[in-house]
Amino acid sequence: QTVVTQEPSFSVSPGGTVTLTCGLSSGSVSTSYYPSWYQQTPGQAPRTLIYSTNTRSSGVPDRFSGSILGNKAALTITGAQADDESDYYCVIYMGSGISLFGGGTKLTVL
Amino acid sequence: EVQLVQSGAEVKKPGESLKISCKGSGYTFSFYWIAWVRQMPGKGLEWMGIIYPTDSDTRYSPSFRGQVTISADKSVRTAYLQWSSLKASDTAVYYCARRSADGNFFEYWGQGTLVTVSS
Repeated sequence: QTVVTQEPSFSVSPGGTVTLTCGLSSGSVSTSYYPSWYQQTPGQAPRTLIYSTNTRSSGVPDRFSGSILGNKAALTITGAQADDESDYYCVIYMGSGISLFGGGTKLTVL
Repeated sequence: EVQLVQSGAEVKKPGESLKISCKGSGYTFSFYWIAWVRQMPGKGLEWMGIIYPTDSDTRYSPSFRGQVTISADKSVRTAYLQWSSLKASDTAVYYCARRSADGNFFEYWGQGTLVTVSS
């Protein structure tokens, strides 16, 4: 069974840049998987950040960007701010209506 | 404005049945897939399954097939997630999410429904 992998945790200094990644247990992530990224703070519903690899959802600041780095999808936050401290989830679209979530990355800004 | 409004929190006993709901507004409900996503306490998000309200075409994650039933009633613009016999391990927040028109990501989210199963 395919598993979507993410770093369990990451930390970044305020104003710094961090790149979170999203891989597959078998194979590479490509644009054909339409990777998307979601931000979730405690007690809140997820918020859509990035879709189709690198398209920002409406209202998302341009310090968030998506890409493919090597064989993984990536979410880069440039100029991290305190309120970027959240859990970040990637989703891989497997086709036939089926999606898989990664385990999530807990980002600390300190 | 697109909105997904979910039913309120539930407290149930093991073995009881439950049906929670997700009502869509601000768009043509029938034409967009609705997914259900589980989040157990302190854990990550898990894709459970998805339904297309026009014809009730439903897909399930292997992890959830046979454990829950996803349905929809387009006449009342509502999708449902139901259990016939709850277990303590079903305790979680459940989110509904509307897929995008091209079907590749979750564009809108409900506020979540907390289900607590405890004797």
